Amino acid sequence: GQQVMQIPQYQHVQEGEDFTTYCNSSTTLSNIQWYKQRPGGHPVFLIQLVKSGEVKKQKRLTFQFGEAKKNSSLHITATQTTDVGTYFCAATNFGNEKLTFGTGTRLTIIP
Amino acid sequence: DGGITQSPKYLFRKEGQNVTLSCEQNLNHDAMYWYRQDPGQGLRLIYYSQIVNDFQKGDIAEGYSVSREKKESFPLTVTSAQKNPTAFYLCASSLRTGGSTDTQYFGPGTRLTVL
Repeated sequence: GQQVMQIPQYQHVQEGEDFTTYCNSSTTLSNIQWYKQRPGGHPVFLIQLVKSGEVKKQKRLTFQFGEAKKNSSLHITATQTTDVGTYFCAATNFGNEKLTFGTGTRLTIIP
Repeated sequence: DGGITQSPKYLFRKEGQNVTLSCEQNLNHDAMYWYRQDPGQGLRLIYYSQIVNDFQKGDIAEGYSVSREKKESFPLTVTSAQKNPTAFYLCASSLRTGGSTDTQYFGPGTRLTVL
Protein backbone atom coordinates (compact mmCIF):
# COMPACT_ATOMS: atom_id res chain seq x y z
CA GLY A 1 0.00 0.00 0.00
CA GLN A 2 0.85 3.64 -0.10
CA GLN A 3 3.54 4.80 2.29
CA VAL A 4 4.01 8.25 3.67
CA MET A 5 7.33 8.98 5.33
CA GLN A 6 7.55 11.71 7.90
CA ILE A 7 10.70 13.18 9.43
CA PRO A 8 12.00 13.78 11.97
CA GLN A 9 10.42 11.32 14.37
CA TYR A 10 11.26 13.53 17.36
CA GLN A 11 12.18 17.18 17.70
CA HIS A 12 13.16 19.04 20.85
CA VAL A 13 13.35 22.83 20.54
CA GLN A 14 13.83 25.73 22.87
CA GLU A 15 10.73 27.83 23.31
CA GLY A 16 10.82 30.57 20.70
CA GLU A 17 12.75 28.54 18.13
CA ASP A 18 11.23 27.44 14.85
CA PHE A 19 10.15 23.89 14.02
CA THR A 20 9.61 22.06 10.76
CA THR A 21 8.31 18.60 9.95
CA TYR A 22 8.42 17.02 6.50
CA CYS A 23 6.20 14.50 4.79
CA ASN A 24 7.27 12.57 1.68
CA SER A 25 5.65 10.09 -0.67
CA SER A 26 6.99 8.16 -3.64
CA THR A 27 3.66 8.58 -5.43
CA THR A 28 1.70 11.64 -6.45
CA LEU A 29 -0.85 12.64 -3.87
CA SER A 30 -4.31 14.00 -4.56
CA ASN A 31 -4.31 15.92 -1.32
CA ILE A 32 -2.67 16.04 2.07
CA GLN A 33 -4.02 16.80 5.50
CA TRP A 34 -2.25 17.74 8.73
CA TYR A 35 -3.38 16.74 12.21
CA LYS A 36 -2.13 17.54 15.70
CA GLN A 37 -2.36 15.15 18.63
CA ARG A 38 -1.72 16.53 22.09
CA PRO A 39 -0.19 14.16 24.66
CA GLY A 40 -2.90 11.76 25.82
CA GLY A 41 -5.36 13.15 23.30
CA HIS A 42 -6.71 12.36 19.88
CA PRO A 43 -5.76 13.76 16.47
CA VAL A 44 -7.36 17.05 15.56
CA PHE A 45 -7.55 18.29 11.99
CA LEU A 46 -5.43 21.35 11.20
CA ILE A 47 -5.60 21.89 7.45
CA GLN A 48 -5.93 20.31 4.01
CA LEU A 49 -3.82 21.11 0.94
CA VAL A 50 -5.01 20.20 -2.52
CA LYS A 51 -3.22 22.28 -5.16
CA SER A 52 0.33 21.88 -6.41
CA GLY A 53 2.61 24.40 -4.71
CA GLU A 54 -0.13 25.49 -2.32
CA VAL A 55 0.85 27.44 0.79
CA LYS A 56 -1.52 28.08 3.67
CA LYS A 57 -0.97 29.87 6.93
CA GLN A 58 -2.64 29.65 10.31
CA LYS A 59 -1.11 32.24 12.62
CA ARG A 60 2.40 30.88 13.34
CA LEU A 61 1.87 27.70 11.28
CA THR A 62 2.76 27.54 7.58
CA PHE A 63 1.80 24.55 5.46
CA GLN A 64 3.22 23.81 2.02
CA PHE A 65 2.37 21.27 -0.67
CA GLY A 66 5.17 20.48 -3.11
CA GLU A 67 5.02 21.36 -6.79
CA ALA A 68 5.05 17.68 -7.71
CA LYS A 69 2.46 16.90 -5.02
CA LYS A 70 4.76 14.30 -3.47
CA ASN A 71 5.82 16.15 -0.36
CA SER A 72 4.57 18.60 2.21
CA SER A 73 5.89 20.51 5.18
CA LEU A 74 4.60 22.16 8.32
CA HIS A 75 6.62 25.03 9.76
CA ILE A 76 5.95 26.62 13.14
CA THR A 77 7.51 30.00 13.82
CA ALA A 78 8.55 30.96 17.36
CA THR A 79 7.27 27.85 19.11
CA GLN A 80 5.26 28.09 22.30
CA THR A 81 4.53 25.51 24.99
CA THR A 82 1.05 25.08 23.55
CA ASP A 83 2.61 23.67 20.38
CA VAL A 84 3.66 20.50 22.21
CA GLY A 85 2.29 17.33 20.63
CA THR A 86 2.66 15.00 17.68
CA TYR A 87 2.04 16.33 14.21
CA PHE A 88 0.82 13.90 11.56
CA CYS A 89 0.48 14.28 7.86
CA ALA A 90 -2.15 12.16 6.16
CA ALA A 91 -2.51 11.69 2.43
CA THR A 92 -4.59 10.14 -0.27
CA ASN A 93 -3.47 9.36 -3.76
CA PHE A 94 -5.59 9.31 -6.87
CA GLY A 95 -8.01 6.41 -7.02
CA ASN A 96 -7.55 5.56 -3.37
CA GLU A 97 -10.08 6.99 -0.96
CA LYS A 98 -8.29 6.00 2.21
CA LEU A 99 -6.14 8.32 4.25
CA THR A 100 -2.63 7.07 4.94
CA PHE A 101 -1.04 8.62 8.00
CA GLY A 102 2.62 9.40 8.37
CA THR A 103 4.46 8.16 11.46
CA GLY A 104 4.28 11.61 13.04
CA THR A 105 6.77 14.07 14.48
CA ARG A 106 6.68 14.47 18.23
CA LEU A 107 7.50 18.03 19.25
CA THR A 108 8.81 18.79 22.71
CA ILE A 109 9.36 22.36 23.87
CA ILE A 110 12.13 23.21 26.31
CA PRO A 111 11.01 26.23 28.37
CA ASP B 1 -23.56 18.76 21.40
CA GLY B 2 -22.22 16.99 18.31
CA GLY B 3 -19.25 14.69 18.25
CA ILE B 4 -17.86 11.21 18.44
CA THR B 5 -17.89 9.16 21.60
CA GLN B 6 -15.90 6.07 22.36
CA SER B 7 -16.30 3.83 25.33
CA PRO B 8 -14.77 2.74 27.50
CA LYS B 9 -11.72 5.00 27.81
CA TYR B 10 -9.63 2.20 29.33
CA LEU B 11 -10.24 -1.48 28.82
CA PHE B 12 -8.49 -4.50 30.22
CA ARG B 13 -9.02 -7.99 28.97
CA LYS B 14 -7.57 -11.38 29.54
CA GLU B 15 -5.72 -13.12 26.78
CA GLY B 16 -8.06 -15.22 24.66
CA GLN B 17 -11.15 -13.10 25.22
CA ASN B 18 -13.01 -11.15 22.59
CA VAL B 19 -13.82 -7.53 23.40
CA THR B 20 -16.00 -4.93 21.66
CA LEU B 21 -15.14 -1.24 21.51
CA SER B 22 -17.97 1.21 21.06
CA CYS B 23 -18.01 4.18 18.67
CA GLU B 24 -20.99 6.49 18.23
CA GLN B 25 -21.31 9.73 16.27
CA ASN B 26 -24.13 12.26 16.00
CA LEU B 27 -22.54 14.31 13.23
CA ASN B 28 -24.66 12.63 10.54
CA HIS B 29 -21.45 11.50 8.86
CA ASP B 30 -21.58 8.79 6.22
CA ALA B 31 -18.10 7.35 6.68
CA MET B 32 -16.57 5.86 9.81
CA TYR B 33 -13.13 4.45 10.49
CA TRP B 34 -11.18 2.47 13.04
CA TYR B 35 -7.47 3.07 13.56
CA ARG B 36 -4.89 1.51 15.78
CA GLN B 37 -2.05 3.57 17.24
CA ASP B 38 1.06 2.04 18.78
CA PRO B 39 3.83 4.01 20.53
CA GLY B 40 6.13 5.73 18.07
CA GLN B 41 3.94 4.82 15.12
CA GLY B 42 1.31 6.58 13.14
CA LEU B 43 -2.30 5.56 12.79
CA ARG B 44 -2.98 2.34 10.94
CA LEU B 45 -6.37 1.72 9.39
CA ILE B 46 -8.20 -1.39 10.59
CA TYR B 47 -11.62 -1.11 8.93
CA TYR B 48 -13.72 1.59 7.37
CA SER B 49 -17.32 1.98 6.32
CA GLN B 50 -18.72 4.39 3.75
CA ILE B 51 -22.37 3.52 4.21
CA VAL B 52 -24.66 1.53 6.45
CA ASN B 53 -24.40 -2.25 6.07
CA ASP B 54 -21.15 -1.98 4.15
CA PHE B 55 -17.51 -1.94 5.29
CA GLN B 56 -14.05 -2.63 3.91
CA LYS B 57 -10.84 -3.98 5.35
CA GLY B 58 -8.05 -1.56 6.00
CA ASP B 59 -4.35 -2.30 6.19
CA ILE B 60 -4.42 -4.40 9.39
CA ALA B 61 -7.85 -6.06 9.54
CA GLU B 62 -6.71 -9.51 10.65
CA GLY B 63 -8.04 -10.40 14.11
CA TYR B 64 -10.68 -7.66 14.05
CA SER B 65 -14.33 -7.49 13.00
CA VAL B 66 -16.84 -4.66 12.62
CA SER B 67 -20.49 -4.04 11.89
CA ARG B 68 -22.39 -1.02 10.58
CA GLU B 69 -26.05 -1.62 11.25
CA LYS B 70 -26.77 2.03 11.99
CA LYS B 71 -25.32 5.20 10.54
CA GLU B 72 -24.39 6.45 14.00
CA SER B 73 -22.61 3.34 15.24
CA PHE B 74 -19.51 1.42 14.17
CA PRO B 75 -18.41 -1.05 16.87
CA LEU B 76 -15.08 -2.85 16.64
CA THR B 77 -14.53 -6.34 18.02
CA VAL B 78 -11.01 -7.35 18.89
CA THR B 79 -10.98 -11.11 18.68
CA SER B 80 -8.70 -13.62 20.32
CA ALA B 81 -7.10 -14.11 16.90
CA GLN B 82 -5.43 -10.69 17.16
CA LYS B 83 -1.90 -11.57 18.27
CA ASN B 84 -0.92 -8.24 19.79
CA PRO B 85 -4.08 -6.35 20.70
CA THR B 86 -2.66 -3.97 23.32
CA ALA B 87 -2.89 -0.52 21.71
CA PHE B 88 -4.73 2.78 21.56
CA TYR B 89 -7.81 2.49 19.33
CA LEU B 90 -9.22 5.55 17.62
CA CYS B 91 -12.54 5.86 15.86
CA ALA B 92 -13.14 8.61 13.33
CA SER B 93 -15.87 9.79 11.00
CA SER B 94 -16.16 12.00 7.95
CA LEU B 95 -18.96 13.41 5.88
CA ARG B 96 -18.16 11.24 2.89
CA THR B 97 -15.28 9.52 1.18
CA GLY B 98 -14.14 9.60 -2.39
CA GLY B 99 -12.63 12.31 -4.55
CA SER B 100 -11.39 15.08 -2.29
CA THR B 101 -11.09 13.45 1.08
CA ASP B 102 -13.01 15.13 3.82
CA THR B 103 -11.78 16.00 7.25
CA GLN B 104 -11.81 13.15 9.73
CA TYR B 105 -13.11 13.82 13.21
CA PHE B 106 -11.69 11.58 15.90
CA GLY B 107 -13.16 10.24 19.09
CA PRO B 108 -11.20 10.35 22.38
CA GLY B 109 -9.95 6.78 21.91
CA THR B 110 -9.97 3.55 23.90
CA ARG B 111 -6.77 2.27 25.43
CA LEU B 112 -6.91 -1.54 25.40
CA THR B 113 -4.55 -3.57 27.53
CA VAL B 114 -4.38 -7.34 27.35
CA LEU B 115 -3.23 -8.95 30.57
